Amino acid sequence: EPEVTQTPSHQVTQMGQEVILRCVPISNHLYFYWYRQILGQKVEFLVSFYNNEISEKSEIFDDQFSVERPDGSNFTLKIRSTKLEDSAMYFCASTWPRGGLDQPQHFGDGTRLSIL
Amino acid sequence: AQSVTQLDSQVPVFEEAPVELRCNYSSSVSVYLFWYVQYPNQGLQLLLKYLSGSTLVKGINGFEAEFNKSQTSFHLRKPSVHISDTAEYFCAVSLITQGGKLIFGQGTELSVKP
Repeated sequence: EPEVTQTPSHQVTQMGQEVILRCVPISNHLYFYWYRQILGQKVEFLVSFYNNEISEKSEIFDDQFSVERPDGSNFTLKIRSTKLEDSAMYFCASTWPRGGLDQPQHFGDGTRLSIL
Repeated sequence: AQSVTQLDSQVPVFEEAPVELRCNYSSSVSVYLFWYVQYPNQGLQLLLKYLSGSTLVKGINGFEAEFNKSQTSFHLRKPSVHISDTAEYFCAVSLITQGGKLIFGQGTELSVKP
């Protein structure tokens, strides 16, 4: 079964540094998402992406965050200047809306981001 | 705004016992409902979903859930659990009319003991 893959599995970065989290969604999917889960808290929506543009973003997704689909396969989340509170597990997800948005999202295994 | 509440943060049960994980949601518009499972060091895997139709939905690994519109609940059940069911379970909703973002509950840690 096709999978969503995320790299790296664990990223350690100094505060203030830029970080790029990478995702390869399932190949025929059209909607892409980033979520994050701070340790001990619920999974939170960050951003959705469709047709090469952001379709929705949460309050968390401020100017420090950006997403990009640089080619036909990768979907990236960039944090420009990391803060301690950005430490979390970041999940990428994708889905294929066959006639509607009722298809489940497929998740990657996540990237654990640790900011020092 | 939509919200999801999972009433139990931890549920310890013995192997072969039945289990129910509770989920309530709040929304002024129609939603789709999902249960996801997260095994240690893994991503979220879909257990089951409710879109429309029959209120009792069956998922993978012997789990089922019942949608109750009047009580705005979507409780997850399994008649007999295994050690391998030990995991974190998340209830989630998405709006039918928007871009499909999922709103998650806080999660319930199911711990199955021998």
